[in-house]
Amino acid sequence: NAGVTQTPKFQVLKTGQSMTLQCAQDMNHEYMSWYRQDPGMGLRLIHYSVGAGITDQGEVPNGYNVSRSTTEDFPLRLLSAAPSQTSVYFCASSYNREGYEQYFGPGTRLTVT
Amino acid sequence: RKEVEQDPGPFNVPEGATVAFNCTYSNSASQSFFWYRQDCRKEPKLLMSVYSSGNEDGRFTAQLNRASQYISLLIRDSKLSDSATYLCVVNFYRMDTGRRALTFGSGTRLQVQP
Repeated sequence: NAGVTQTPKFQVLKTGQSMTLQCAQDMNHEYMSWYRQDPGMGLRLIHYSVGAGITDQGEVPNGYNVSRSTTEDFPLRLLSAAPSQTSVYFCASSYNREGYEQYFGPGTRLTVT
Repeated sequence: RKEVEQDPGPFNVPEGATVAFNCTYSNSASQSFFWYRQDCRKEPKLLMSVYSSGNEDGRFTAQLNRASQYISLLIRDSKLSDSATYLCVVNFYRMDTGRRALTFGSGTRLQVQP
C-alpha cells in the first residue's frame, strides 16, 4: 500500500493564481481531511469528507474548495492564492472521524509571493 | 486561550534521560486523546492513544488527568532517535463548526543529545 500520497511536494504561486493540491489514499478510508500547518500553530482543519460525495468545512475553510468524487481522491483547490496561504498542507485519512489513527500524506510546501 | 496548549520547548536532554511533556486542554467535554510524533519536515504519525487509566508502550507512558484537564507523555531512557516534535491531539466538540473534530497542539520539540 502506498498509504496517503500528495502532489506536488513543493509549489510557488503568485498572488491571484489558482491551483489544485492532489491527495489520494489506497486504504479504503471513508474519512479524509486537509490541514494546514504554520509555525507556532497546531495543524488546523481546512475541509473534511466523511465519504464520497460528502464534504464539509473545518476551522479555516475560506479561500479553499474541495470535492470528493471517489473514496480514493480528495483534491484541495486554492481559488485565488494569497500570501496568507503560504503554509505546509497535509492531507490525512482515517477509518472514521473520531478516535482512530489519522494517516498523513508527506505534505505540500506552498509559497505564495 | 488556545484550546490545546503545549510548551514549545525545545527540551534538550542527554541520551538515557527521562523526560516528560504536559499538554493542557480547555474543553472539559473532550473524549479522545492522542500523542503524535512529527520529525523535522515530515508528516505527523500516531505515537499512542491516551486512555483514562493511563497506558504504556515500551519506553513511552501516557497519562490523562481529566480533573485538571491535562495529558502527559513520559519518555524513559531517551534515544537519539526520539528527537522530534511531539503533538498533543484532543477530540472534542467545536463551537465554531458545531461538530466534533481533532484539535492539534502546536507541539513540543525534543532534542536528545549524545
